[in-house]
Amino acid sequence: QQQVKQSPQSLIVQKGGISIINCAYENTAFDYFPWYQQFPGKGPALLIAIRPDVSEKKEGRFTISFNKSAKQFSLHIMDSQPGDSATYFCAAEGSSASKIIFGSGTRLSIRP
Amino acid sequence: ETGVTQSPTHLIKTRGQQVTLRCSSQSGHNTVSWYQQALGQGPQFIFQYYREEENGRGNFPPRFSGLQFPNYSSELNVNALELDDSALYLCASSLGLAVTDTQYFGPGTRLTVL
Repeated sequence: QQQVKQSPQSLIVQKGGISIINCAYENTAFDYFPWYQQFPGKGPALLIAIRPDVSEKKEGRFTISFNKSAKQFSLHIMDSQPGDSATYFCAAEGSSASKIIFGSGTRLSIRP
Repeated sequence: ETGVTQSPTHLIKTRGQQVTLRCSSQSGHNTVSWYQQALGQGPQFIFQYYREEENGRGNFPPRFSGLQFPNYSSELNVNALELDDSALYLCASSLGLAVTDTQYFGPGTRLTVL
């Protein structure tokens, strides 16, 4: 069964600190790994994404690290701000019929 | 805002009933995907439509069906509602079928089945 395992379930970080969320996947047919941010009452919004031929991608304060051999990837949020408080989902996408598998989410709280 | 709208915002149905949820995609987006998000969980892929044809389906029974129309609107129909169908239903539109095409999500429809 295809799965994407995400941890931790919840995370509290001090303002200015680094938030780290981890994901692991099983199916090597996935070829795109996005991260989504979801605020209460809103749909998920794409934050940053990476292809498996790249080990790291950085956009502003957000960085994805990708380890193809371990089938793991992580999101790092540098200089975390209270406005980053949201639920974050990793996902794995491919061209199979099931298209995209989401992780179970991480509720991030940034303390002022 | 993503430009993707969904209606209604909330809906309450009883077990065994049928429901239709609606989505209006961004203009020019040929692909719409539907997801079920249970409370505290990640979205689960239901199915995807590309230019009015189904183009992939997740692990959902046939009582979940959909339609996509030429005017960038789409529907999710659920027959014989069960208590476990209570969830947030999200639609997402994208330009085409490439995995790199950004999916723009609507705010969702909260369905409660009693």
